[in-house]
Amino acid sequence: AQSVTQLDSHVSVSEGTPVLLRCNYSSSYSPSLFWYVQHPNKGLQLLLKYTSAATLVKGINGFEAEFKKSETSFHLTKPSAHMSDAAEYFCVVIDASGGSYIPTFGRGTSLIVHP
Amino acid sequence: EAQVTQNPRYLITVTGKKLTVTCSQNMNHEYMSWYRQDPGLGLRQIYYSMNVEATDKGDVPEGYKVSRKEKRNFPLILESPSPNQTSLYFCASSGGPGQGYYEQYFGPGTRLTVT
Repeated sequence: AQSVTQLDSHVSVSEGTPVLLRCNYSSSYSPSLFWYVQHPNKGLQLLLKYTSAATLVKGINGFEAEFKKSETSFHLTKPSAHMSDAAEYFCVVIDASGGSYIPTFGRGTSLIVHP
Repeated sequence: EAQVTQNPRYLITVTGKKLTVTCSQNMNHEYMSWYRQDPGLGLRQIYYSMNVEATDKGDVPEGYKVSRKEKRNFPLILESPSPNQTSLYFCASSGGPGQGYYEQYFGPGTRLTVT
């Protein structure tokens, strides 16, 4: 069985400071992991993905995430927040070992960026 | 432009009145799915389709139907809507194995209210 936990429902940062959005997962096999971003009144957009290649994954808009198997974590980071980063972020896991391709979404983390 | 379109974007209806939400993608994707998004619950998958005439239940299929008669279209049908189906609905698509299988492209969403 797979599950994903986003450890913070809200994260508040000042513009120009680092961003850390935390995600822990549970998977019985080697998972595929994703981060999606949802801006207000928009659909979800893929930020980055991990599919068993390099453990440090770079995405769009300066975001990156590191897959740490020992810690079952896939935290999202960005060195310097921008006002346009304010959005809802979702961590997603897919464990296809049993032939199922049903993704499990975290409950989301709302990123608030202060000027 | 590669995109997933949904119609209508907003819908207010009454209990028991059948409705259909359409979804269409222009990327020749094999995999399509429907999600509902509720506050504090993230996204939950309703149904998915691996290809034409191949559909399967997701996590929350009760009260919904789907069909996949053409590759590009994947309508969501509520035969007898109830107030607990008031939600924000997203359609998504992705390519097959070796084509970014798990990278989903999302539609803009349909906000449904059932009174």
